[in-house]
Amino acid sequence: GAGVSQSPSNKVTEKGKDVELRCDPISGHTALYWYRQSLGQGLEFLIYFQGNSAPDKSGLPSDRFSAERTGGSVSTLTIQRTQQEDSAVYLCASSSPMWVDTDTQYFGPGTRLTVL
Amino acid sequence: DAKTTQPNSMESNEEEPVHLPCNHSTISGTDYIHWYRQLPSQGPEYVIHGLTSNVNNRMASLAIAEDRKSSTLILHRATLRDAAVYYCILQEEGNEKLTFGTGTRLTIIP
Repeated sequence: GAGVSQSPSNKVTEKGKDVELRCDPISGHTALYWYRQSLGQGLEFLIYFQGNSAPDKSGLPSDRFSAERTGGSVSTLTIQRTQQEDSAVYLCASSSPMWVDTDTQYFGPGTRLTVL
Repeated sequence: DAKTTQPNSMESNEEEPVHLPCNHSTISGTDYIHWYRQLPSQGPEYVIHGLTSNVNNRMASLAIAEDRKSSTLILHRATLRDAAVYYCILQEEGNEKLTFGTGTRLTIIP
């Protein structure tokens, strides 16, 4: 079946511009996660959605970052007034409820963001 | 958050077994041990997970120490496609997000 998809695969923007990154999770998965990975680093948790519950935003690095999940499916991560330090690969993952699959996360291929 | 410690890098010859160690001395009784790997230019992929007993699946085996303070991911016969960064992660009960460390970069020598 279809995995997690993300678009665009690459995004180059100028400092100060806003960007939107999209994630389509696996159908039926109730949980959705955003991570980012800077060059040569491990993954950094950003935000987590679970069903209709309030999202866990504890990993968002600043108020320039926000995310939405519409209809419990597609999610958009928005970065306003981008800075060069925002350059990274942004990864999305989805998972079934823990009682179904012990919360194994399935990752998309990521969006490589470059801020000039 | 409970932490894990892994070697930064390891090398192994193709077609030989690989044992990737992970220390997690502060693990709590309800933490699951997960392993993910990240191939070059790809998102991470799930490898295996366990709680107390050793686990086997089509990709690997997971050996968990009796005191649960360490575990070992075993690739039974390494191929070039197994070259990746391997992450050992503790998942706290009720906390769905994963905390990735820097992992072990595994190089397979032909």
